[in-house]
Amino acid sequence: GDSVTQMEGPVTLSEEAFLTINCTYTATGYPSLFWYVQYPGEGLQLLLKATKADDKGSNKGFEATYRKETTSFHLEKGSVQVSDSAVYFCALSETGRRALTFGSGTRLQVQP
Amino acid sequence: DAGVIQSPRHEVTEMGQEVTLRCKPISGHDYLFWYRQTMMRGLELLIYFNNNVPIDDSGMPEDRFSAKMPNASFSTLKIQPSEPRDSAVYFCASSSNLGTEAFFGQGTRLTVV
Repeated sequence: GDSVTQMEGPVTLSEEAFLTINCTYTATGYPSLFWYVQYPGEGLQLLLKATKADDKGSNKGFEATYRKETTSFHLEKGSVQVSDSAVYFCALSETGRRALTFGSGTRLQVQP
Repeated sequence: DAGVIQSPRHEVTEMGQEVTLRCKPISGHDYLFWYRQTMMRGLELLIYFNNNVPIDDSGMPEDRFSAKMPNASFSTLKIQPSEPRDSAVYFCASSSNLGTEAFFGQGTRLTVV
């Protein structure tokens, strides 16, 4: 079945550091890929998405590129802020199936 | 739009009691999803509906769990009888036919003691 694997957290960075959170997936078809963010006590919010190979999703300084050859969708940000501290989830939606399959989540802690 | 609305936000109940969680999806959305989040198992899909019809309920843990969607603007997830291992955050989400992303509610934190 479909699955998503994320790097273990927590990831602890200083403000203005470069962020990478790795995500790889297994799927039988051509899924859409997503990054969601969850702040403490809140629901998940869509951060960015990509629906086909080589697409780049971007939002609020975060970027991720859909790499079919490596089945990856790594999240990056050039300069993190304290306000970026949250849990980040990579997810996929298989063609013809609308439900999301989530990774285990990666907690990011940004220190001033 | 107010987004996906879930109620209650917090529920504490005793083992053996019936619990009903409620969800109002975003108006016009055709899909509704129920997820459960725990530290041990992460985010799990329980069930999802398309146009009020259940499409996949393979994630429903056991017969104690049931979900209904009587109309396009309301869904319930019921646990009867509840057990301590049901303690989790339950999320409802909805999406439209036009987009692939899902929009999540704030969740219901359920504690069964």
